[in-house]
Amino acid sequence: DIQMTQSPSSLSASVGDTVTITCRASQNIATYLNWYQQKPGKAPKLLIYATSSLQTGVPSRFSGSGSGTDFTLTISGLQLEDFATYYCQQSYRAPPLTFGPGTKVNIK
Amino acid sequence: QVQLQESGPGLVKPSETLSLICAVSGDSLSSSNWHWIRQTPGKGLEWIGNISSSGGTNYNPSLKSRVSISMDTSNNQFSLALTSVTPADTAIYYCARLILWWIDSWGQGTLVTVSS
Repeated sequence: DIQMTQSPSSLSASVGDTVTITCRASQNIATYLNWYQQKPGKAPKLLIYATSSLQTGVPSRFSGSGSGTDFTLTISGLQLEDFATYYCQQSYRAPPLTFGPGTKVNIK
Repeated sequence: QVQLQESGPGLVKPSETLSLICAVSGDSLSSSNWHWIRQTPGKGLEWIGNISSSGGTNYNPSLKSRVSISMDTSNNQFSLALTSVTPADTAIYYCARLILWWIDSWGQGTLVTVSS
């Protein structure tokens, strides 16, 4: 199975900050990488698919990049509603789908 | 817009079978790929398995001997059965739809606790 790691596991930031979250795959996954946002008590929500494509309705302050094994999610101009946990997920060699352990974005 | 809703017992005894149903509206089971995913504080998001639009199934190797996913096209719902459960199977269980190769829709999730 392809293992996914994320860094950092948590971070503290202020409204307006630019935040970058890194996701790494244990082997080449091309651009088969997706990002999800999860708020407490809610299901994950798709933010970005295929590394850099924004899901309909997701604000343009979210962006994704990368290929191969290294990927990033950037939030430019953090808003209050962005404080949540973010997960990456690969579909290159699936099944199984595999998820990263998550990065929690906290208010500073 | 597609909607998914999980239902089933919130409490299951050890060694028994966990059974959940996912009711789908806004899409046909025969059009997409349907998944079960669970979430625990310790293991994060864990993919359980899926059933394709044609009824083919795939399971997580770590659970394969205990998992079964089926579909009921007449009621537009699909089901999860997990046998011989232990407290380690306590989790929030989500059903979800996969489009191409990303999950675009999730159910709200249902907490299942394994305890005597």
